[in-house]
Amino acid sequence: GESVGLHLPTLSVQEGDNSIINCAYSNSASDYFIWYKQESGKGPQFIIDIRSNMDKRQGQRVTVLLNKTVKHLSLQIAATQPGDSAVYFCAENHTGRRALTFGSGTRLQVQP
Amino acid sequence: DGGITQSPKYLFRKEGQNVTLSCEQNLNHDAMYWYRQDPGQGLRLIYYSQIVNDFQKGDIAEGYSVSREKKESFPLTVTSAQKNPTAFYLCASSYGTSQETQYFGPGTRLLVL
Repeated sequence: GESVGLHLPTLSVQEGDNSIINCAYSNSASDYFIWYKQESGKGPQFIIDIRSNMDKRQGQRVTVLLNKTVKHLSLQIAATQPGDSAVYFCAENHTGRRALTFGSGTRLQVQP
Repeated sequence: DGGITQSPKYLFRKEGQNVTLSCEQNLNHDAMYWYRQDPGQGLRLIYYSQIVNDFQKGDIAEGYSVSREKKESFPLTVTSAQKNPTAFYLCASSYGTSQETQYFGPGTRLLVL
């Protein structure tokens, strides 16, 4: 069945380093992808999204890369800061499905 | 101040009791959603609504009910039929339902007494 999952449950990085969070998806019909950040006890916060007609999109300190050939999505955070510590979720959607399918999340821990 | 609000922040349910979680948005979004999140897991879709007076079951609708009488409001009732209701409940909204960014509320944590 369709699924969206993450390779690593926990990622620990040093402050100032770049972080890369990975996500695999299985549905070849997926055409919209989104990354959310969730801090403890709060709702998910939108970070960046990308459509399947693109392979890269940049935001402020974040970049999302999409490799449709291997069904892989990644979120890169430049110069990681303590405030970036949170759980990061990828989610996907495709034509015909009316809501997002979420992965299980990766916890990012930033060491000072 | 635009956004999505959920209330209460914490809710306690007794055995056999129905409880209702509130979700309100002033973003003029057509679509609204309810998700359930269990510890250390992702979000699972309970119900969604694309338009007023219409809603559809998501992946885990059993034991839950919703209504959409107003565009701004999408309350979720956790019924006594839901045997494992303890979870973090998240409401979201978007302009449409396909390829549209969903924006989330702060969540309601439901605990069983």
